Amino acid sequence: DVKVTQSSRYLVKRTGEKVFLECVQDMDHENMFWYRQDPGLGLRLIYFSYDVKMKEKGDIPEGYSVSREKKERFSLILESASTNQTSMYLCASRPQGEETQYFGPGTRLLVL
Amino acid sequence: LAKTTQPISMDSYEGQEVNITCSHNNIATNDYITWYQQFPSQGPRFIIQGYKTKVTNEVASLFIPADRKSSTLSLPRVSLSDTAVYYCLVVKGGATNKLIFGTGTLLAVQP
Repeated sequence: DVKVTQSSRYLVKRTGEKVFLECVQDMDHENMFWYRQDPGLGLRLIYFSYDVKMKEKGDIPEGYSVSREKKERFSLILESASTNQTSMYLCASRPQGEETQYFGPGTRLLVL
Repeated sequence: LAKTTQPISMDSYEGQEVNITCSHNNIATNDYITWYQQFPSQGPRFIIQGYKTKVTNEVASLFIPADRKSSTLSLPRVSLSDTAVYYCLVVKGGATNKLIFGTGTLLAVQP
C-alpha cells in the first residue's frame, strides 16, 4: 500500500514567518507534487518534482519554493507567510509511467 | 486538458445506487477519464479510470459512451461512509504531471 505522509495535520503560523511543510512517500515514486485546496477553487498545483533536485512550477508558485534533496522527501517552503496562504496543503506522489497520483492526508495551515 | 462539468451536489439514501454524470465535450483522443474521491480533512483517493465502454472494480463502475463526451460514475448500494466529494478528471495518457480538479460533486448519503 502506498503511503504518503505529511509532517503536520494542523499548523498555525504568524505573518512573516518562514514555514516548512514536509512530505514523505515510501514507494520510491519519481514524481511528487504540492497542491493547495481552497473552497470553491478545487485543487491547484503549486510545484512538482520529477526527480531529485528537479522542480517545475505549477499554476500558482508565487510565494512558495520547494526542495527535493532525497527521492522520498519533497518540502514546500513559504519564505514569508501571508494570510492569503491560509489553506489546506496536499502532497501527492506518482510512479513513472502511471497516471494515478497518491495523496497524503493534508496539512491545514492557518496564517494569522 | 479538457474541462469537466459535474453537478455540485447530490443526495441519496443508504442502499441506493448512485450515478454521477460528468461532461467533457472537448476530450482528446489520448485522454483518459479518471475519478477521485475525497473525504473531509483527507487527500483525494483514486477510484477508477477508463478510456471507453465500461470499467468495473470493487468500488465502482464507470460507463463511457462511444463519443466519450460524458461519463457516469456508478456507486452500487451506497452507505453513509460514501459521503464524500467525487471529482471527475480528464487525464492525458502517458506521463502526466498535472491533474486539474474542479469543484467536484458532494454526495450526501442519508440513513
